[in-house]
Amino acid sequence: AQSVTQLDSHVSVSEGTPVLLRCNYSSSYSPSLFWYVQHPNKGLQLLLKYTSAATLVKGINGFEAEFKKSETSFHLTKPSAHMSDAAEYFCVVSVQYGNKLVFGAGTILRVKS
Amino acid sequence: EPEVTQTPSHQVTQMGQEVILRCVPISNHLYFYWYRQILGQKVEFLVSFYNNEISEKSEIFDDQFSVERPDGSNFTLKIRSTKLEDSAMYFCASSDLLAGVWEQFFGPGTRLTVL
Repeated sequence: AQSVTQLDSHVSVSEGTPVLLRCNYSSSYSPSLFWYVQHPNKGLQLLLKYTSAATLVKGINGFEAEFKKSETSFHLTKPSAHMSDAAEYFCVVSVQYGNKLVFGAGTILRVKS
Repeated sequence: EPEVTQTPSHQVTQMGQEVILRCVPISNHLYFYWYRQILGQKVEFLVSFYNNEISEKSEIFDDQFSVERPDGSNFTLKIRSTKLEDSAMYFCASSDLLAGVWEQFFGPGTRLTVL
């Protein structure tokens, strides 16, 4: 079975400092991995997705994630946090084509001014 | 840019009543999904739908739930007799194969409150 573990339920950073949101996955098959963001009272927006083409994936708003098979990790990073990045972030795994997504528990990112 | 839409944005109902949540997926997509998120909990998969039939459903998706694509554009989730524990945000999604990856696009959600 596929699963996702987000290692931090809350992360707090100062504006302008780096962001690291950690995610580990478990999958019997070669996974597709995603990061989604949810701003308060909003829907789920795709930040980035992993395909087998490149292990370093760049997404919207300056976010990127690196797929590390040996560590079964897909951590999300951003060099410099902005106040508008404050939101909840979900690491997500999908295994089969057209299959369901399995969500992590989410990490709430707080950005301090 | 095409997007998934959902109506209503908020729905309040009495326990035991039937509700229908509506979604319009992106027009050329092939797979459709419903997820729900109970306040403070994970987003959970409910059901996927392909070629006019359910392709997979979770344990949550019991006989009280049903899905339908009545007219080739709408995709609906019906809860026959709502319970208090059905209160949640319900997300519709649709997907297509992009660059070798099935990417799911989510609607803004319907917040269902059962009193």
